[in-house]
Amino acid sequence: SYVLTQPPSVSLAPGQTARITCEGRNIDTKSVHWYQQKPGQAPVLVVFNDNDRPSGIPERFSGSTSGNTATLTISRVEAGDEADYFCQVWDGFTDHVVFGGGTKLTVL
Amino acid sequence: EVQMVQSGAELKKPGESLTLSCKGSGYNFNNQWIGWVRQVPGKGLESMGIVYPGDSDTRYSSSFEGQVTISVDKSISTAYLHWGSLKASDSAMYYCARQGINWEFDYWGQGTLVTVSS
Repeated sequence: SYVLTQPPSVSLAPGQTARITCEGRNIDTKSVHWYQQKPGQAPVLVVFNDNDRPSGIPERFSGSTSGNTATLTISRVEAGDEADYFCQVWDGFTDHVVFGGGTKLTVL
Repeated sequence: EVQMVQSGAELKKPGESLTLSCKGSGYNFNNQWIGWVRQVPGKGLESMGIVYPGDSDTRYSSSFEGQVTISVDKSISTAYLHWGSLKASDSAMYYCARQGINWEFDYWGQGTLVTVSS
């Protein structure tokens, strides 16, 4: 089955740029989606189809893919960005949704 | 405005049955897949399966095949997640979400907390 691997945590100071990775075999051949989940809340889609943003999501959020790695980039990180972030793809071979394990972003 | 509204929290005993509901509104319910996602407290997101309301086509993730039943009633724009016999390990938050054209979950329900305890 297809596996997505994320680092458990990323920590940085306000104003810095956060890069959260998601590794999967040939992930650049798939559409990658990213979700933000704050404590006690449902996940929110922040990037879809590798690098598109839903309406209402700040331009500070962007995505990219290359080879086996997808990256969610959050520019000028704010305290309000502190959350868990999950990547997701559709595995067309098994017809299943696959999530990464999640990355906790801490803003120091 | 697209909304996915889920049924309320449940407290059940092991061996009992349970059905959760998820009502979609603000869009053509029949034409977009709906998924169910489990989240054990403090853990990540797990896709359980998806259903297409137009023809009730259902796909289960391997971990949940045979453990739950996903269904839909398109006449009332509602999807369901059913257990025939709950276990303590089914205690979790359960989310429904609408899928977009690239298989992303673009709108989520508020979640339903299920607690299974004797």
